[in-house]
Amino acid sequence: QSALTQPASVSGSPGQSITISCTGSSSDIGGYDHVSWYQQHPGKAPKLMIYDVSNRSSKFSNRFSGSKSGNTASLTISGLQVEDEADYYCCSYTSSISNWVFGGGTKLTVL
Amino acid sequence: QVQLQESGPGLVKPSETLSLTCTVSGDSISSDIYYWDWIRQPPGKGLEWIGSASYGGNTYYNPSVKSRVTISVDTSKNQFSLKLSSVTAADTAVYYCARRDFGEFCFDPWGQGTPVAVSS
Repeated sequence: QSALTQPASVSGSPGQSITISCTGSSSDIGGYDHVSWYQQHPGKAPKLMIYDVSNRSSKFSNRFSGSKSGNTASLTISGLQVEDEADYYCCSYTSSISNWVFGGGTKLTVL
Repeated sequence: QVQLQESGPGLVKPSETLSLTCTVSGDSISSDIYYWDWIRQPPGKGLEWIGSASYGGNTYYNPSVKSRVTISVDTSKNQFSLKLSSVTAADTAVYYCARRDFGEFCFDPWGQGTPVAVSS
């Protein structure tokens, strides 16, 4: 069981928007603005998409955005494209002795 | 651009030591501005941070493996390594190496990952 909770799967049609949630606690997401998101295609390395809650990596377009409210962070992808189909992971710095916690991952299917 | 590539045995026997290497290309591992991290993903489970090391010799480990893990930097080969002793089936996972900037709270870039199975 992962420290951060993500839905196992989400789906959407090309052109639509989807949001992936990532729920933690006051020790991690709620306590720090250090949430990051990663995209992973099968057999490929995870890629940093979003860091510090809402800062976007230069490798990703403005279709990708991040936000946070309380103990829950969210990743929104607008204008879905087929190539967005991948696994998405959230990560947060934590005050617990484990330093970093991840979500279990969400599989995005673009129908 | 910097690239990371993991290497090592894909099968380790229970109670033995798992040893992996991450080769860094496109950047010097001797830089004072990075941490070099290991992260793993057991089958069907989420990611778990294992630990990190800096060129200056600072190391940080997840308490869940702290008594069994060593991460070190080899500047002569521009590599860093992971050693995990007394492995069990619970250590079966895909192991990733990654870089983290000092003062930053994210991992970028990552290697592609290497699967390691613990089995007799």
